[in-house]
Amino acid sequence: NAGVTQTPKFQVLKTGQSMTLQCAQDMNHEYMSWYRQDPGMGLRLIHYSVGAGITDQGEVPNGYNVSRSTTEDFPLRLLSAAPSQTSVYFCASSYSTAGATDTQYFGPGTRLTVL
Amino acid sequence: GQQVMQIPQYQHVQEGEDFTTYCNSSTTLSNIQWYKQRPGGHPVFLIQLVKSGEVKKQKRLTFQFGEAKKNSSLHITATQTTDVGTYFCAGIGNAGKSTFGDGTTLTVKP
Repeated sequence: NAGVTQTPKFQVLKTGQSMTLQCAQDMNHEYMSWYRQDPGMGLRLIHYSVGAGITDQGEVPNGYNVSRSTTEDFPLRLLSAAPSQTSVYFCASSYSTAGATDTQYFGPGTRLTVL
Repeated sequence: GQQVMQIPQYQHVQEGEDFTTYCNSSTTLSNIQWYKQRPGGHPVFLIQLVKSGEVKKQKRLTFQFGEAKKNSSLHITATQTTDVGTYFCAGIGNAGKSTFGDGTTLTVKP
């Protein structure tokens, strides 16, 4: 199993540009989530999904969209990038259907810089 | 909303000394998870505690969940250089949402 994969590893955007961060898992996990991690801080939940076709907002959802058309994929879209969105983005998945109530497996992260 | 505070923010120890990090939630938790993140890496799951007053051990690591399910601690006995990294707690609320603390960064001087 590849586990949780994320692409790209690094990205530089200009203010106002849009892009999609990709996340995929091959463990047949129902729960998937996106976090952002700013320097010296913990992970803040952006959006999460408890199964295909179901998504919900986390702590910091503004400026981001998600969709979950398949169990395997959970892309994160930045609508109009802003410098405040410069961060490291982690995708995570979990077996549980009741949210993050089981081991969360994290991807390697995408390091995003917005100029 | 749910807030999770973690202290201390940094801890520098001599190899062989003990280390403890504490996690406190503003609300009662369903369960709590602990993760370790090496510099430049991603969080790696260590353990999950579910029951009130639960204590779990993994070799030199001891994890505790408070009786009120609002606080937790991670204690490392006789630290080694391989223990360096940032340790995060994640509080899981009744709706299954996770809230991470800001982490404790451990450095170990050989």
